[in-house]
Amino acid sequence: EVQLLESGGGLVQPGGSLTLSCAASGFTFSSSSMTWVRQAPGKGLEWVSSVSSSGSTTWYADSVKGRFAIYRDNSENTLYLQLNRPALDDTAVYYCAKGFWGLDYWGQGIVVTVSS
Amino acid sequence: QSALTQPASVSGSPGQSITISCTGTSSDVGGYNRVSWYQQHPGKAPRLMIYDVSNRPSGVSNRFSGSKSGNTASLTISGLQAEDEADYYCSSYTSSTTCVFGGGTKLTVL
Repeated sequence: EVQLLESGGGLVQPGGSLTLSCAASGFTFSSSSMTWVRQAPGKGLEWVSSVSSSGSTTWYADSVKGRFAIYRDNSENTLYLQLNRPALDDTAVYYCAKGFWGLDYWGQGIVVTVSS
Repeated sequence: QSALTQPASVSGSPGQSITISCTGTSSDVGGYNRVSWYQQHPGKAPRLMIYDVSNRPSGVSNRFSGSKSGNTASLTISGLQAEDEADYYCSSYTSSTTCVFGGGTKLTVL
């Protein structure tokens, strides 16, 4: 059974830093691209970032480029998203998902609140 | 990276069919057969319903079907059931090697 379990969310101050983790199991993690998607309160889904199976290539939405960093540890089957200099409008539920343009498995989501 | 355009809401009665449209540009929907559709119930994670325009993952009912014409993709749900009431999102790969979602459509089963 495929499982994706996010952790590391919570309250972060504007301009601070926070790292989200996503522990994967039930599939060959090192063979899959992985993606982070977020959903602001009461809003729709927004693609944030994706990383290739090896971790050598990353892609970012313009809204987070230069501030967020996606990376992975294939030896630990874990995906990460580092939120640097978050702004108030980065407040959202963050989901990790398997794949790139067809996201076939999703985690349960983790809440990130940016507030002073 | 402008969001794809979806109707805010659609509705239908049990047993009927509905179609949700998703309009993009030649740089996303029209340029690639990499359109996906997701179902999201309140408080839950999204679920993949259609990938690569018209393919259904294992376990998804054949009442769900997808198609594309030009820059517009469509999701059709036939034989509407109460459990289909949810938000639906389309997404597409783009020429910038990114992905973009639609704004979402709330489906109400009357």
